[in-house]
Amino acid sequence: NAGVMQNPRHLVRRRGQEARLRCSPMKGHSHVYWYRQLPEEGLKFMVYLQKENIIDESGMPKERFSAEFPKEGPSILRIQQVVRGDSAAYFCASTSRGAAHPRETQYFGPGTRLLVL
Amino acid sequence: GEDVEQSLFLSVREGDSSVINCTYTDSSSTYLYWYKQEPGAGLQLLTYIFSNMDMKQDQRLTVLLNKKDKHLSLRIADTQTGDSAIYFCAEVDSGGYQKVTFGIGTKLQVIP
Repeated sequence: NAGVMQNPRHLVRRRGQEARLRCSPMKGHSHVYWYRQLPEEGLKFMVYLQKENIIDESGMPKERFSAEFPKEGPSILRIQQVVRGDSAAYFCASTSRGAAHPRETQYFGPGTRLLVL
Repeated sequence: GEDVEQSLFLSVREGDSSVINCTYTDSSSTYLYWYKQEPGAGLQLLTYIFSNMDMKQDQRLTVLLNKKDKHLSLRIADTQTGDSAIYFCAEVDSGGYQKVTFGIGTKLQVIP
């Protein structure tokens, strides 16, 4: 049973370009969470999605950032017109259900490290 | 809002015990977690504790919870060089789904 997969592992973009980060949850998991880890900081919640639905995007910047989790395929975190401050590690996690219970502990992917030049 | 605080750095000698501390603010937290992050890797769940417990032991790991003071600690017995990593304390919002708030992380350095 493969774990949470994220690609690319490393992504370099110039200012103004777009960044697309992909997350494939664990098999059987239909709930996905995105987090951002800025240098020397902890993880900050960005968005929580179920298949085809955004449940909570309270942690997402209002502009340039969007997320989706289509019926088929991975979840995508999209950052338009990237700026240097977007440089961070972006982690995806998944659960089989959304309930707050240790059995539904979030399993994390290895992260995508975005560097904006 | 929720807030989780940790000290930034801890250095111990191999074989000694490590104690990593954390304080949190959300009194309605249901579960509290400890995650480990090795360099360049994602987060690995180490252990968790229900908010109605005050201690949990799992092999070399002991979690202590003081709910009155909202203080959580992780003790690693017989610390090994492989324990060198960043340790994150996290709490789960009890309001439904798993909205997790992480601390900034404590970097544990184990000196051989």
